[in-house]
Amino acid sequence: AQSVTQPDIHITVSEGASLELRCNYSYGATPYLFWYVQSPGQGLQLLLKYFSGDTLVQGIKGFEAEFKRSQSSFNLRKPSVHWSDAAEYFCAVVGSNDYKLSFGAGTTVTVRA
Amino acid sequence: DAGVIQSPRHEVTEMGQEVTLRCKPISGHNSLFWYRQTMMRGLELLIYFNNNVPIDDSGMPEDRFSAKMPNASFSTLKIQPSEPRDSAVYFCASSLTTRNEQFFGPGTRLTVL
Repeated sequence: AQSVTQPDIHITVSEGASLELRCNYSYGATPYLFWYVQSPGQGLQLLLKYFSGDTLVQGIKGFEAEFKRSQSSFNLRKPSVHWSDAAEYFCAVVGSNDYKLSFGAGTTVTVRA
Repeated sequence: DAGVIQSPRHEVTEMGQEVTLRCKPISGHNSLFWYRQTMMRGLELLIYFNNNVPIDDSGMPEDRFSAKMPNASFSTLKIQPSEPRDSAVYFCASSLTTRNEQFFGPGTRLTVL
């Protein structure tokens, strides 16, 4: 069965520190991969996507993610977080012959001063 | 572009009343999705339209839920009669094609008393 796993429910990080959010997926073929961010009371905003090509993708707000086929992972990183990065982050996947976007359960990021 | 537009942003109604949520997708997008987000179940796909035609409504929880897309620029999600367990945030999303990134609206927060 297809699935998306975000192992960390909640992460707390100091402002200026680095951040890494984990995402693992289970699909038969290389899917399309996405990271979305949701601030409180807001909709989901696309941070970045991976379809093919270079496995390190750059997104908005200084985020990047690396696709590792051997590990079925698509982890999100940011070298230095800002207080405004406090939000919930969702990894999402759509299969090669599918249209349904499967979401992970989300990781809530808290930024402390 | 104004992005995906949803109305109303907030809706409070009493059990048994009819509720209609509205969505205007991004111009030129041919795929439209309705989602429901709750703390317990996260993001759930309710229904997917492609070129105004409902392709998959397997996520619609009950017959009380119905959705229409009379033209490329408008869709509605109706709940009749509403129940307290329908309280959630309902998102509309659109994409250029089926497997492209989805752009989410700000959501409608529905409270059924």
